[in-house]
Amino acid sequence: GAGVSQTPSNKVTEKGKYVELRCDPISGHTALYWYRQSLGQGPEFLIYFQGTGAADDSGLPNDRFFAVRPEGSVSTLKIQRTERGDSAVYLCASSWTSGENNEQFFGPGTRLTVL
Amino acid sequence: KDQVFQPSTVASSEGAVVEIFCNHSVSNAYNFFWYLHFPGCAPRLLVKGSKPSQQGRYNMTYERFSSSLLILQVREADAAVYYCAVCQAGTALIFGKGTTLSVSS
Repeated sequence: GAGVSQTPSNKVTEKGKYVELRCDPISGHTALYWYRQSLGQGPEFLIYFQGTGAADDSGLPNDRFFAVRPEGSVSTLKIQRTERGDSAVYLCASSWTSGENNEQFFGPGTRLTVL
Repeated sequence: KDQVFQPSTVASSEGAVVEIFCNHSVSNAYNFFWYLHFPGCAPRLLVKGSKPSQQGRYNMTYERFSSSLLILQVREADAAVYYCAVCQAGTALIFGKGTTLSVSS
């Protein structure tokens, strides 16, 4: 596709449920990033993949959050036992490779609402 | 703590030059990134670098720990949220909280 796509665009769930958020990066991009944006805040880093492996997961808030990228392309962010505080916009970005000089292209995000 | 700081709001009039200031406290970050964000859409990179740069109507000034985004001939359509970010350890971007630009005619 022309850009990074994320599905679903909106997700409403109940407290305690499990959710999966999907990111399709730009074809050929080896680096993939997940960010979370709470209301009134800037995006905050969650996890970064280089290829299939998670190169840096230091931003994941706790062990309820997990992400995979099994074939080095599509990535899924998984949230177990969702809490109301997980409500946010989850942004995905990709770049040709890692490194400061490589522009990160963002998707439109998934708005997660936990009731 | 590694943080990026920018004003929460900036107001301007059409045709003016708008300046949005940013500074950071991230010790190992050298490049600034300025993103434009219309809520609900993908954030879009406007200009980046570790030296003064220009992309169309967007200019970026550069100091080691601060940068300004200058928008020339601002229009009502430029009203949006502008994010300043720096890159930590060559991977994750650290963003400011965003500056909401309002433009009056």
